[in-house]
Amino acid sequence: SQELEQSPQSLIVQEGKNLTINCTSSKTLYGLYWYKQKYGEGLIFLMMLQKGGEEKSHEKITAKLDEKKQQSSLHITASQPSHAGIYLCGAHAGNYGQNFVFGPGTRLSVLP
Amino acid sequence: EAGVVQSPRYKIIEKKQPVAFWCNPISGHNTLYWYRQNLGQGPELLIRYENEEAVDDSQLPKDRFSAERLKGVDSTLKIQPAELGDSAVYLCASSLERTGSLYEQYFGPGTRLTVT
Repeated sequence: SQELEQSPQSLIVQEGKNLTINCTSSKTLYGLYWYKQKYGEGLIFLMMLQKGGEEKSHEKITAKLDEKKQQSSLHITASQPSHAGIYLCGAHAGNYGQNFVFGPGTRLSVLP
Repeated sequence: EAGVVQSPRYKIIEKKQPVAFWCNPISGHNTLYWYRQNLGQGPELLIRYENEEAVDDSQLPKDRFSAERLKGVDSTLKIQPAELGDSAVYLCASSLERTGSLYEQYFGPGTRLTVT
């Protein structure tokens, strides 16, 4: 079965600093999703990447997909306290939407 | 537009008791997911419905867990009897999916279950 690993496991940064979170898959990626979760709440969809080399941005968050490396990165520019939370990557094991799996998450703290 | 609704938000029960969780997806979403999230981990898929059909339930512990989505809209997940290890957050998500296309899932706030 497909497994997703995330690094780092946790991250503490000073407000204004840039940071990167990585997600690596054990198998071919058919779509890679990034979600954010705050404690006690459900997951909020951030971005979806489908094609190798694809890059998407929303406000200060940029995600890239490296299909050959079976890897995705999430980059936050000029971090703010509002960016704090748990970032989770998710992916389908097949190209028809089956067997969706999540990574373990990266806990981000942003110090004001 | 209303989001995914789940109830109850919190539930505390003694082991061996039954428990049920309810989910109402976003209107028009044909695919519904149930996940279990243990503390400090990512959500784990339990079951996925396409309309009223369970198309992926390989991770559902069928000896004690059951789920239904009778009319292809809202869904119920049941545990009977509950065990201490079932303490977790149970998340429901929905999406509008078509074969060959991928769509984002929208999540409810979850039900936090504590089994004592």
